[in-house]
Amino acid sequence: DSGVTQTPKHLITATGQRVTLRCSPRSGDLSVYWYQQSLDQGLQFLIQYYNGEERAKGNILERFSAQQFPDLHSELNLSSLELGDSALYFCASSLDTGIGANVLTFGAGSRLTVL
Amino acid sequence: AQSVAQPEDQVNVAEGNPLTVKCTYSVSGNPYLFWYVQYPNRGLQFLLKYITGDNLVKGSYGFEAEFNKSQTSFHLKKPSALVSDSALYFCAVRALNSGYSTLTFGKGTMLLVSP
Repeated sequence: DSGVTQTPKHLITATGQRVTLRCSPRSGDLSVYWYQQSLDQGLQFLIQYYNGEERAKGNILERFSAQQFPDLHSELNLSSLELGDSALYFCASSLDTGIGANVLTFGAGSRLTVL
Repeated sequence: AQSVAQPEDQVNVAEGNPLTVKCTYSVSGNPYLFWYVQYPNRGLQFLLKYITGDNLVKGSYGFEAEFNKSQTSFHLKKPSALVSDSALYFCAVRALNSGYSTLTFGKGTMLLVSP
């Protein structure tokens, strides 16, 4: 157990729907990162939050949004889902903003299947 | 911009033989380099990192990696492979003093160790 908790583990939904993925970072970590893993795109960075504030943005679609709450847990909202959104979504956390050589700790992922 | 290339989708090796998983990077300035491993149905786990200093970095589970600045490479190695080393391996890079630049991952290399 890495200490990063992601729910749900598996999610099956239909095109056009909206889902929310949840992440609780490792105790003491202030940064949360979201990554999308798919067979064709590999591991793509979506967005990072540090202590409640957005810190960095990657290849995140406008249909996707995220936030980090005062208790430091984070949610990734995916709306108007398309077949191509089917992927494994990982949350990772780190103690600080992630600059430099700090190690990210990953959760086990949430597997989203859009039918 | 920073990028990582893992030229091999899959590496096959027999148990007991040495293994190498290749990684090359592109970054402005000096890099921080990482290797992570992903076992089936699990999140990524940190193996080792290069910050500065000795070009040979030792990490978890007997793995090591060699930093070569002139060839912009950071190949992962192990003297004697185990069947249990079979997994997906990711190389990642972040530029030194890059502000809030994120950790960029390669597409991953599947390592298969046969008995």
